[in-house]
Amino acid sequence: DTGVSQDPRHKITKRGQNVTFRCDPISEHNRLYWYRQTLGQGPEFLTYFQNEAQLEKSRLLSDRFSAERPKGSFSTLEIQRTEQGDSAMYLCASRYSTDTQYFGPGTRLTVL
Amino acid sequence: KQEVTQIPAALSVPEGENLVLNCSFTDSAIYNLQWFRQDPGKGLTSLLLIQSSQREQTSGRLNASLDKSSGRSTLYIAASQPGDSATYLCAVSRSGTYKYIFGTGTRLKVLA
Repeated sequence: DTGVSQDPRHKITKRGQNVTFRCDPISEHNRLYWYRQTLGQGPEFLTYFQNEAQLEKSRLLSDRFSAERPKGSFSTLEIQRTEQGDSAMYLCASRYSTDTQYFGPGTRLTVL
Repeated sequence: KQEVTQIPAALSVPEGENLVLNCSFTDSAIYNLQWFRQDPGKGLTSLLLIQSSQREQTSGRLNASLDKSSGRSTLYIAASQPGDSATYLCAVSRSGTYKYIFGTGTRLKVLA
């Protein structure tokens, strides 16, 4: 069991640049979540996939954010035209039939 | 709109003490409630999951209870150890949505 992996672990970018993060869930897990967490706060839900279908997306998510999960395996989260307010830890979690979520280590984004 | 509150925000106890962490939610129409642990700079680890039809769950030294009518859950940690030092987060989901709403967490420090 290799667990949920995320790449990269850290990303520093300049304001206005696009960034893309990858999440590889546990192999048999067909459900995948993306969250954003800022310092001192709990994770904030961004989006949910079941297999390749994006079934729910936070209304807080601006159209600069997009996520995909081709073929229901790994997922990518892209942020276009990054802003300083996008600086946060981006967390991915996956699960199978039970409700227990398994989280990856996160990608820490710093926008300068 | 569901809001999740955790009190206290921080707690420092000597090793060996039993302690209780609190989680309150405003909308009692929940599907399940989960307790997580987060170590600094890391992802989350699921501790206990309580379905809406259940009153409590136990795992080792941890016991979580759920009272939907009052909108409260407690996490009881018996015989605390320095290794229990971490931030503890609760999260609730609602029927008909895949979104989880997290509290801001309780930062626990167990002193040796």
